[in-house]
Amino acid sequence: KAGVTQTPRYLIKTRGQQVTLSCSPISGHRSVSWYQQTPGQGLQFLFEYFSETQRNKGNFPGRFSGRQFSNSRSEMNVSTLELGDSALYLCASSLDHPNQPQHFGDGTRLSIL
Amino acid sequence: GENVEQHPSTLSVQEGDSAVIKCTYSDSASNYFPWYKQELGKRPQLIIDIRSNVGEKKDQRIAVTLNKTAKHFSLHITETQPEDSAVYFCAPGEAGSYQLTFGKGTKLSVIP
Repeated sequence: KAGVTQTPRYLIKTRGQQVTLSCSPISGHRSVSWYQQTPGQGLQFLFEYFSETQRNKGNFPGRFSGRQFSNSRSEMNVSTLELGDSALYLCASSLDHPNQPQHFGDGTRLSIL
Repeated sequence: GENVEQHPSTLSVQEGDSAVIKCTYSDSASNYFPWYKQELGKRPQLIIDIRSNVGEKKDQRIAVTLNKTAKHFSLHITETQPEDSAVYFCAPGEAGSYQLTFGKGTKLSVIP
């Protein structure tokens, strides 16, 4: 069974630009979550999608958004990039039951210049 | 929301010794208690989890213990090996939730 796939692996942007990251979950997993990982803050929850709907949202500004497609693939978008957005963005998929193990992708390393 | 604290933030042990990491949470409704391991440059991976109807769970050299009254759970690693060196995260989950709140992590170094 293929794991969670995230593309691209690395991305360099400049302040003010926008970026779109992609995540393909494990086959059969319909819940997809996104996390931001930084050295100082650890893993912070961004949002969770199920059945093309955002079901949970973390405490991030509106510049961070996402969506999910009918095949459960998900994208997240960050607009008006700031230096502080430099981070590893991790996607995780799970079965659609509460409190299930999260299966993570390798992440997208975003660097803002 | 859930407040999660992990202690210690860094831990160094000699190979063969035991390591214990503690996770304290705030929400008494939490009923799912996983631990994730993230090796340098790799993805986080679930290594063990426990649910609130069980007090302890063991899998070879790792174990998790839960104290719901005191609202903390701990990861125990015995006979540590260099490949246990990684960052460990706890992520308690509230009942009925699809969201996990991760602790800030504990960096474990096993010295050969």
